[in-house]
Order: sequence, then C-alpha cells, then structure tokens
Amino acid sequence: DAGITQSPRYKITETGRQVTLMCHQTWSHSYMFWYRQDLGHGLRLIYYSAAADITDKGEVPDGYVVSRSKTENFPLTLESATRSQTSVYFCASRGGNTEAFFGQGTRLTVV
Amino acid sequence: AQSVTQLDSQVPVFEEAPVELRCNYSSSVSVYLFWYVQYPNQGLQLLLKYLSGSTLVESINGFEAEFNKSQTSFHLRKPSVHISDTAEYFCAVSYYGGSQGNLIFGKGTKLSVKP
Repeated sequence: DAGITQSPRYKITETGRQVTLMCHQTWSHSYMFWYRQDLGHGLRLIYYSAAADITDKGEVPDGYVVSRSKTENFPLTLESATRSQTSVYFCASRGGNTEAFFGQGTRLTVV
Repeated sequence: AQSVTQLDSQVPVFEEAPVELRCNYSSSVSVYLFWYVQYPNQGLQLLLKYLSGSTLVESINGFEAEFNKSQTSFHLRKPSVHISDTAEYFCAVSYYGGSQGNLIFGKGTKLSVKP
C-alpha cells in the first residue's frame, strides 16, 4: 500500500527499557521527520533526515536516537525510556517544498 | 527564530455559524503555508496549502485561507461549519530557500462545533 505507515500503533513499556518506533514510506521522499505531540505543546520536532545516512536534531532530541540506512525507513529509538517520553509520536515525509505527509501515529506510554 | 502563532487554542462555535482560525508567522520572507486537520486518534491530514499564485486557497470541504503578506497571516475560514468539522487544526510554514526540513508548526487550535 502506498503511503506512510507507523508501527506499532500503541505501545506500553517500562521505565528504562529500550523501545523502537518504526516508520516506513513508499514514495521515496527524501525528507523524513519525527514529531511528538503533547497537550499544550502542539507538535515538536525530535529529529529529521534529509536523505539516507543524513540526520539532524530538531527541537527536542534528548533521549532519542534515529537512523536512516534506507530512504524508506526512519526508525526512532528511545534508548532508556522515561515517563516524560509518554506521548503520541508522528512520523512524516516530504518530497520537496510542498506538504508533508503524516503517519497515523504511535501512542507510547512509559510506566 | 522563526515561529508560527495560532492565536486561539480553542474555538467553540455553533453548527452553521461562520468560523475563523487565526495563524500568524514570524518572518516577512517568501513562504509556503499549510493548514492541517487532525481528527481524534488520527494523524494530520493536509487541508489546504499556499505555494504561489492566488492568495486565496480553498479546500474541497468548504474551508478557505487567505495569504496576507503584509500582515504575515494565513487565517482559515469557513462560512458555515458542521459537527463533522470538530477537530484540531494546525498551521505550518516553510521558507523559500530554506531547508525542506524546516517545516514549523503552530500549537494548534481545537475547533468544537456544537449542535
């Protein structure tokens, strides 16, 4: 199916565990993004990637790691999850100076 | 730093009434502008966009937005809202010549349409 997909849709993990959120897009868009959405803060950029093997920090990168070995995949890893990382995470991709396309989101709860 | 301001965090309105959701951005340089809509438990969907040309852009479901360069605004309007328009709306901006990674979002406006 064409589009951008995130997995899992829901995840509960314990404090201190490592967790990886997956993102896959089928358009071969060069840019990909990870945002977190929290009440009162809107969307905040965690990391973005301009191409395979090129990543850069956004507004709130601490505690997160990304990689992009292939154009279509952009996983986000929480190395040691904390309760403050409980949030809804959105992946997006962008092929030029037009709109970004968003995945359905991953609701992560850290207990 | 570049920024986007959505002046109202919540807008309650009755069905069939008109609505305006306000959006201002911080720079007067040339921009691309977007409005996204987010329904509960879903991702963001593009509602409309301004890239160039006519300053008035329209969506298929009756929303419109007007790019005003002098006021650095891109307000979203609908003359008559429906219950189904209840959602959160996000304004976003990116800049000519800037990195495609530089897509800046406002904090969102929750539109609540009451019967």
